[in-house]
Amino acid sequence: DQQVKQNSPSLSVQEGRISILNCDYTNSMFDYFLWYKKYPAEGPTFLISISSIKDKNEDGRFTVFLNKSAKHLSLHIVPSQPGDSAVYFCAASGGNTDKLIFGTGTRLQVFP
Amino acid sequence: EAGVAQSPRYKIIEKRQSVAFWCNPISGHATLYWYQQILGQGPKLLIQFQNNGVVDDSQLPKDRFSAERLKGVDSTLKIQPAKLEDSAVYLCASSLDRESAREYFGPGTRLTVL
Repeated sequence: DQQVKQNSPSLSVQEGRISILNCDYTNSMFDYFLWYKKYPAEGPTFLISISSIKDKNEDGRFTVFLNKSAKHLSLHIVPSQPGDSAVYFCAASGGNTDKLIFGTGTRLQVFP
Repeated sequence: EAGVAQSPRYKIIEKRQSVAFWCNPISGHATLYWYQQILGQGPKLLIQFQNNGVVDDSQLPKDRFSAERLKGVDSTLKIQPAKLEDSAVYLCASSLDRESAREYFGPGTRLTVL
């Protein structure tokens, strides 16, 4: 039962262009969503989050959009840089649990 | 601020052997988590501690996995005996408290069971 899904295992984007990473969830009780970034041989690091009372949260080049009716969120990176190449995990929490449920990750490669 | 520390970074064992992982969370963080991340999947929570008490261990295979958090600080995760399917990265994370969804992860221990 995969409650958080990232259907694109990989994404390749040219430097300077926009990267859009998608995430879908099935549990309508989720009320807090986070994106983590993971480099090889390192643990995931927090990138950006959004509460269900908002539909957009921005932090520099990173913007997360939440569409509650579609149970969908996306992470936009503009402009993309080679250092953004990593695996990005979407995570959600809420309802009767405070634990994070992670998606399977999307590997982003930004090429020059 | 020092991050979450884990050791060892890598471990190779044969099936049916035992293994232990150690985690030191960020100072002052009351909540500690152990995750299992199998290749190609996202991290899956094994156990969550609040101080030295267990909050959630519903996904911990208790016939072979055990964990403790002595004095509410460091934690150890043990597997005995190991199976081939236990090959994964074991991540430790900590957060300020249960209400803080933002978790800080350590670098992980990559376990290979042969």
